[in-house]
Amino acid sequence: QSALTQPASMSGSPGQSITISCTGTSSDIEIYNLVSWFQQHPGKVPKLMIYEGTKRPSGVSNRFSGSTSDNTASLTISGLQPEDEADYYCCSYATGRNFVFGGGTKVTV
Amino acid sequence: EVQLVESGGGLVQPGRSLRLSCAASGFTFDNYAMHWVRQAPGKGLEWVSTINWNSGSIGYAASVKGRFTISRDNAKNSLFLQMNSLTTEDTALYYCAKDMGNPAFNAFHIWGQGTMVTVSS
Repeated sequence: QSALTQPASMSGSPGQSITISCTGTSSDIEIYNLVSWFQQHPGKVPKLMIYEGTKRPSGVSNRFSGSTSDNTASLTISGLQPEDEADYYCCSYATGRNFVFGGGTKVTV
Repeated sequence: EVQLVESGGGLVQPGRSLRLSCAASGFTFDNYAMHWVRQAPGKGLEWVSTINWNSGSIGYAASVKGRFTISRDNAKNSLFLQMNSLTTEDTALYYCAKDMGNPAFNAFHIWGQGTMVTVSS
């Protein structure tokens, strides 16, 4: 199972918006509406930010939103804040009871 | 409060075995699929294995298939990962994670703090 493709890094100024892309294949994102996004600060445990492509778990800021189209998922962070500086990973359920992660995107604010 | 506590990590020689455990509390354990995810030092997240609520559906990453075995004991609210024929490529922080649920395999909702496995001679 190949990894999902994410940009290695992105940056933005406080208050701006950024959108992180995550490209998969016809075996994962394209056929399963089960894309999730995780935020990980250095030395910390990953935190689920988005699941099923667009849903936010309780407690996650509405500045974080997700979308999917064909074989690509996206995470948008609106109104960037310094605490949003972290690594972000996408993940999708895939054919054969598998999951696959993206390589991660380092976001600098 | 939902809590996952991993244990069993440590330093092991290549070719040897190790068994990880994950103790769950604060939720109805046998209602959810469970997962193992690992992260090598300085690297990204890698899914390792998944088991559904009754152990009837199990998946493994290609990198561990045939060497690792996931299992669970619902009576003891525990998840396990038996790791055999370890190589230096298996060196990583191993996280236990609870599924979001509905559908059965959804997303890694709650994570433990992880247990470190170092494979070295």
